[in-house]
Amino acid sequence: EVQLLESGGGLVQPGGSLRLSCAASGFIFGNYAMTWVRQGPGKGLEWVTAISANADSTFFADSVKGRFIISRDNSKNTLFLQVHSLGAEDTAIYYCAKNNAGWLTPLDYWGQGTLVTVSS
Amino acid sequence: DIVMTQSPASLSVSLGGRATINCKSSQDVFYSSYKNYLAWYQHKPGQPPKLLISWASSRESGVPDRFSGSGSGTDFTLTITSLQAEDVAVYYCQQYYTTPGTFGQGTKVEI
Repeated sequence: EVQLLESGGGLVQPGGSLRLSCAASGFIFGNYAMTWVRQGPGKGLEWVTAISANADSTFFADSVKGRFIISRDNSKNTLFLQVHSLGAEDTAIYYCAKNNAGWLTPLDYWGQGTLVTVSS
Repeated sequence: DIVMTQSPASLSVSLGGRATINCKSSQDVFYSSYKNYLAWYQHKPGQPPKLLISWASSRESGVPDRFSGSGSGTDFTLTITSLQAEDVAVYYCQQYYTTPGTFGQGTKVEI
């Protein structure tokens, strides 16, 4: 059974940083691209960033480019998202999702999400 | 970026009725191998989104056959026939033709 478990969210002050993690199990993690999607309060889903299976390619939404870093450790079946220079607009539930194959494929499994709240 | 526009924003359907959700992309998402790079997700409160339909019309394993996807190019439709109480959710389309893999703004389906 595929499982994705996010962690690392919390309350952070404006301008602060966090590192989110997503522990994966139930599939060969290193064979699939992975994606982070977020949902702000009262808002819809927003695609944030994706990483290829072997980590040689990364992609970012313009809203986070230069502030967020996506990475993965295939030996530990873990996906990471480092978020920097946080603003109120980054307050959201952050979901990690497994791509069906490469990064241009649907998101077939999602974690429960981790909440990031940016507030002073 | 490709903009995904869903309509309506919300709709109320009777139990056993039909729900039709439209999704329009600002660019063609049809690519090689005769595939449309378009997915539909169901999102219920307190749960993660669930993939219902991929490649515009391919139903995921375990998804009831009352859910169907259609369309090509820039215009797509999700149809729910014989609506059940458990289908109350927000539905999103997403293009994965290119990054960022943009979502529509969502359609809230109520009974």
